[in-house]
Amino acid sequence: DTGVSQNPRHKITKRGQNVTFRCDPISEHNRLYWYRQTLGQGPEFLTYFQNEAQLEKSRLLSDRFSAERPKGSFSTLEIQRTEQGDSAMYLCASSLTAQPQHFGDGTRLSIL
Amino acid sequence: DQQVKQNSPSLSVQEGRISILNCDYTNSMFDYFLWYKKYPAEGPTFLISISSIKDKNEDGRFTVFLNKSAKHLSLHIVPSQPGDSAVYFCAARGPSGSARQLTFGSGTQLTVLP
Repeated sequence: DTGVSQNPRHKITKRGQNVTFRCDPISEHNRLYWYRQTLGQGPEFLTYFQNEAQLEKSRLLSDRFSAERPKGSFSTLEIQRTEQGDSAMYLCASSLTAQPQHFGDGTRLSIL
Repeated sequence: DQQVKQNSPSLSVQEGRISILNCDYTNSMFDYFLWYKKYPAEGPTFLISISSIKDKNEDGRFTVFLNKSAKHLSLHIVPSQPGDSAVYFCAARGPSGSARQLTFGSGTQLTVLP
């Protein structure tokens, strides 16, 4: 299966800890997106890369959040000093230019 | 402000009948619309899309209709099957030159009863 892969699938951590998630997009896709989804809501856009360049960041992405895509392939999303409100499903998607986005199965973050 | 709205949180339909899922949007700059299906513990799966220059797109049992003047789109599933039971998200994308991220509605839980 060559779909979008996200790791870990679940992450439980204590408030104040740092966490990092990884996304491996479909190999030929040049665009990579991060979204966050909370219960009863649709995914909300966080940030977007075209190749290795981070081109857009949502207001939702506070200073505690940082994302990288160093070689234009996989991406990481780091949350520093986690808070209760960070508990959510973090989804990664990838696409070719102008094509529909394909999503991974997400990383579920739970803050104790 | 919610730019994409799905006002029905849930819908139940008998197997074999038509399912109609609705979506409204407020941003007239959206030029491309998509429907995604989501099963529990999985990410959204792309289903069908439509460009703003069209008013209908069909793919097998799935048809999406777009009414630009009303800023409304709908997804028709005919005939509905139990395996179609899932959460359906409507999403919209801005025009070329914008960031191209998707703006999602809050989803409609479709249950197809055998």
